[in-house]
Amino acid sequence: KAGVTQTPRYLIKTRGQQVTLSCSPISGHRSVSWYQQTPGQGLQFLFEYFSETQRNKGNFPGRFSGRQFSNSRSEMNVSTLELGDSALYLCASSKGFGETQYFGPGTRLLVL
Amino acid sequence: AQSVTQLGSHVSVSEGALVLLRCNYSSSVPPYLFWYVQYPNQGLQLLLKYTSAATLVKGINGFEAEFKKSETSFHLTKPSAHMSDAAEYFCAVTGGSYIPTFGRGTSLIVHP
Repeated sequence: KAGVTQTPRYLIKTRGQQVTLSCSPISGHRSVSWYQQTPGQGLQFLFEYFSETQRNKGNFPGRFSGRQFSNSRSEMNVSTLELGDSALYLCASSKGFGETQYFGPGTRLLVL
Repeated sequence: AQSVTQLGSHVSVSEGALVLLRCNYSSSVPPYLFWYVQYPNQGLQLLLKYTSAATLVKGINGFEAEFKKSETSFHLTKPSAHMSDAAEYFCAVTGGSYIPTFGRGTSLIVHP
């Protein structure tokens, strides 16, 4: 069974731009969560989607948004990029509420 | 509320020596506990999880962890370290929200 895939793997943007990251969950998984990983803050939860609905949201500004499609694929968008948004963005999928999460390889975003 | 504390940001062992990575948690409800491993430029891979069944949990790659409620601990061990075990290890807890809270991670260094 294929794992969680994330595209692109690496991205370089400049301040003020916006970016969209994509995540394809494991087949049959309906829940997708997003995390930001930085050396300073560690792993921080961004949001979780289940059946196209945002079910939980972490403590991030409104510049961070996401959505989930009917095939469970998910995208997250960051608008008006700041230098501090440079991070590894991880996507995780699970069968449902409270189930074990399986992580993708991440998208490394560098904001210049 | 839930939290995780991983004692020691770096742990150094010799190849063949015992590996012990410490994790203490707090949770207002009976927790689910997880250990993940992250290799450079990769996502998180699930090592093992505790879900209130047996207190001694066996995972992949020879790792195991013991849930001790009285000590609120879930330490990760491996009898004999291998060079390939060098990686970042994360302990995580889920409580009532089912959104995992991750520790800051412990970098395992294995010397030949």
